[in-house]
Amino acid sequence: EVQLVESGGGLVQPGGSLRLSCAASGFSFSSYSLNWVRQAPGKGLEWLSYIRSSSSTIYYADSVRGRFTISRDNAENSLYLQMNSLRADDTAVYYCARETIVGVNFDSWGQGTLVTVSS
Amino acid sequence: QSALTQPASVSGSPGQSITIACTGASSDVGGYNYVSWYQQHPGKAPKLMIFDVTSRPSGVSHRFSGSKSGNTASLTISGLQAEDEADYYCCSYADSGSRVFGGGTKLTVL
Repeated sequence: EVQLVESGGGLVQPGGSLRLSCAASGFSFSSYSLNWVRQAPGKGLEWLSYIRSSSSTIYYADSVRGRFTISRDNAENSLYLQMNSLRADDTAVYYCARETIVGVNFDSWGQGTLVTVSS
Repeated sequence: QSALTQPASVSGSPGQSITIACTGASSDVGGYNYVSWYQQHPGKAPKLMIFDVTSRPSGVSHRFSGSKSGNTASLTISGLQAEDEADYYCCSYADSGSRVFGGGTKLTVL
């Protein structure tokens, strides 16, 4: 069974940093591209970042480029999101999502981890 | 990277059909056959319902179908059931490798 489990969320002050992790199991992690997607309270889904299976290609949404860094460790079956210069509008549930090998579709999602940016 | 446009809400009675539109641009929906749809129940993670515009993952009811014309993709749910009540999001691949979601549509089954 495919499983994605996010961790690392919590309360952080504006301007602070946080590192999210996503532990994967049940599939060949190194074969799949992965994404981070977030959802602010009561709002819609927002795509944040993409990383290819080999880490050779990375993309970011304009809203986080320069502040967030996506990375992965294929030996540890883990995906990461380093978040710096956090703002109140970064408050959201953060999901990791696996992308299908062919096409651009998120076929598996974690349960999400809540990040709250507040003083 | 503007969000795709979806109606905020749609509703229908059990057994009826509804269609949710997702409008983008030639740089996203109109330019690629990489439109997907997701269902999200309150407090739950999204679930893939339609991929590559028209395809259904195994296990998803045949009552769900997708299509695209120009810059607008659509999700149709036929034979509405109570359990279909949820939020629905479209997503498209876009120029420069980004992905973009629609604003979401709340489906109410009357």
